[in-house]
Amino acid sequence: AQSVAQPEDQVNVAEGNPLTVKCTYSVSGNPYLFWYVQYPNRGLQFLLKYITGDNLVKGSYGFEAEFNKSQTSFHLKKPSALVSDSALYFCAVREEGSYKLIFGSGTRLLVRP
Amino acid sequence: NAGVTQTPKFQVLKTGQSMTLQCAQDMNHEYMSWYRQDPGMGLRLIHYSVGAGITDQGEVPNGYNVSRSTTEDFPLRLLSAAPSQTSVYFCASRGESSYNSPLHFGNGTRLTVT
Repeated sequence: AQSVAQPEDQVNVAEGNPLTVKCTYSVSGNPYLFWYVQYPNRGLQFLLKYITGDNLVKGSYGFEAEFNKSQTSFHLKKPSALVSDSALYFCAVREEGSYKLIFGSGTRLLVRP
Repeated sequence: NAGVTQTPKFQVLKTGQSMTLQCAQDMNHEYMSWYRQDPGMGLRLIHYSVGAGITDQGEVPNGYNVSRSTTEDFPLRLLSAAPSQTSVYFCASRGESSYNSPLHFGNGTRLTVT
């Protein structure tokens, strides 16, 4: 069965600094990986996905993620953080042959001015 | 397009009461799903449906029932509410034409069971 882990409950960065939010996964077969963001009192919004091809995926709001098959990781990155990036970030994985999208526990990103 | 609409936004139940959380989407999406969000546990899949008349269990289905009589609607029923079901519930849908198309989420229903 597929699973995903986000090892950090919270990540703190200063505005203008690069940020990384970590995600590792476990699946049988090929993984399909996603990042979503949640702002207070709202549903989740899609940021980016990795299906196949280039290991560096670019998404919304300047975010990108790097797929590393050998380390089974899909870390979210941004070169220069903004205060408005502060939110809850979720990594998710779908296993080949499954309909289900399974989410990690979430990482709260706090960007201080 | 309204997207995914969930009602009610808030609900308080007493233990043992029943209720239905409503979810409707106007995007003609075949796939619909219910998640619950709890602190430190992320989102956990309760039930999902790949089309009218077809439903299946997710990670945490116990205590919940679903049905899918139309493409648009996917209600979640709690037959006998328990305090452990206090949570925020999200409905999400996507087009079946691609299993990897993004999920569209509603804004959630915050349920408290006392």
